[in-house]
Amino acid sequence: SQQGEEDPQALSIQEGENATMNCSYKTSINNLQWYRQNSGRGLVHLILIRSNEREKHSGRLRVTLDTSKKSSSLLITASRAADTASYFCATDAATNAGKSTFGDGTTLTVKP
Amino acid sequence: ETGVTQSPTHLIKTRGQQVTLRCSSQSGHNTVSWYQQALGQGPQFIFQYYREEENGRGNFPPRFSGLQFPNYSSELNVNALELDDSALYLCASSFDRTNYGYTFGSGTRLTVV
Repeated sequence: SQQGEEDPQALSIQEGENATMNCSYKTSINNLQWYRQNSGRGLVHLILIRSNEREKHSGRLRVTLDTSKKSSSLLITASRAADTASYFCATDAATNAGKSTFGDGTTLTVKP
Repeated sequence: ETGVTQSPTHLIKTRGQQVTLRCSSQSGHNTVSWYQQALGQGPQFIFQYYREEENGRGNFPPRFSGLQFPNYSSELNVNALELDDSALYLCASSFDRTNYGYTFGSGTRLTVV
């Protein structure tokens, strides 16, 4: 079974709008990462947030983590057509460190 | 600094055959993790190798096996291929069994017919 579950499964927005994706997980974690995947190719690491952090920014990306609710969100601001991809969260569990568990992803489509 | 490279990029095999997939880890990384990604799903952890030893395994049968070499490159071997083994196989490298953000290869697309 997957540790992380992303919501929504699919998201379609217009260029310039913001996109928010959510991730829920089940067990205690060391950190949570977000990845992007274009057209079934390799995953690209976007951002990592540690269990003692609540918010992190990287360019147009903003990630929040709520360990009490076992959830995280990824916000992409001012989206571009090039942001069209699948986005996955992955958790590095405290009991299984270094072996991240992925959710099934959110497919984001940004229309020009 | 080189990234993670996987070979081959695409492969078609017949049910019952055996396959070997290869991965060269990023320079400086000594840990390699293998993942299977079925269409429309997230990557599933197969196993991890650290300094040539298996360091954890997911819920995959023994016909999935691996190796890591002294230069930290790795192989994934799958025996007695089944149709459900058709998937994208991803290799990810990291340092010292920790994950501060994997570096992934582009994957090998395996089709079993």
